[in-house]
Amino acid sequence: GAVVSQHPSWVICKSGTSVKIECRSLDFQATTMFWYRQFPKQSLMLMATSNEGSKATYEQGVEKDKFLINHASLTLSTLTVTSAHPEDSSFYICSAVDRGNYGYTFGSGTRLTVV
Amino acid sequence: AQSVSQHNHHVILSEAASLELGCNYSYGGTVNLFWYVQYPGQHLQLLLKYFSGDPLVKGIKGFEAEFIKSKFSFNLRKPSVQWSDTAEYFCAVNALSSDMRFGAGTRLTVKP
Repeated sequence: GAVVSQHPSWVICKSGTSVKIECRSLDFQATTMFWYRQFPKQSLMLMATSNEGSKATYEQGVEKDKFLINHASLTLSTLTVTSAHPEDSSFYICSAVDRGNYGYTFGSGTRLTVV
Repeated sequence: AQSVSQHNHHVILSEAASLELGCNYSYGGTVNLFWYVQYPGQHLQLLLKYFSGDPLVKGIKGFEAEFIKSKFSFNLRKPSVQWSDTAEYFCAVNALSSDMRFGAGTRLTVKP
């Protein structure tokens, strides 16, 4: 079945640094990838929709200059948290759409801790 | 290892049929449970969630789910499906000490 690899699974960084999270579809082409964030004791919140070869569409309230999304190929989308602060500490997860049969697959998520 | 299992990969129903999608998890301790739906071309939408209290949870669009702790299950139900319910459904579990994990998803196709 379709597999999405998300890397790293956890990362600790210092305030002010940037962190890049990769979401890679291993055995299918993903024209669309979604990036979500989960706050403690809450459900997922959609951050942005990433379409291959075009600019990401950000949800209201999500700073596009802070959360840089790049979807340069049909198998890779990256989320870069720039100038991270402790309030950016969260769980980030991506999902990719298999354009062959519209199925969705989730990455395993990334736990970001900013200290 | 912690895991979330959805029993059915693809379910095909006729309109007005009843729906039950299975979800089992293997976490110990207290968990938060979610069902999400994803329509073609769209992002996830939360159908319902269980944190505590009444184990029978009612969500949007006529969906409900029952948490059975002894069976580690959180099955999704709807008494009468509509064509517009065609989508992919994901069960997710979030233990207090770990991050959210998703089941593999169940594709529901409702024939008009």
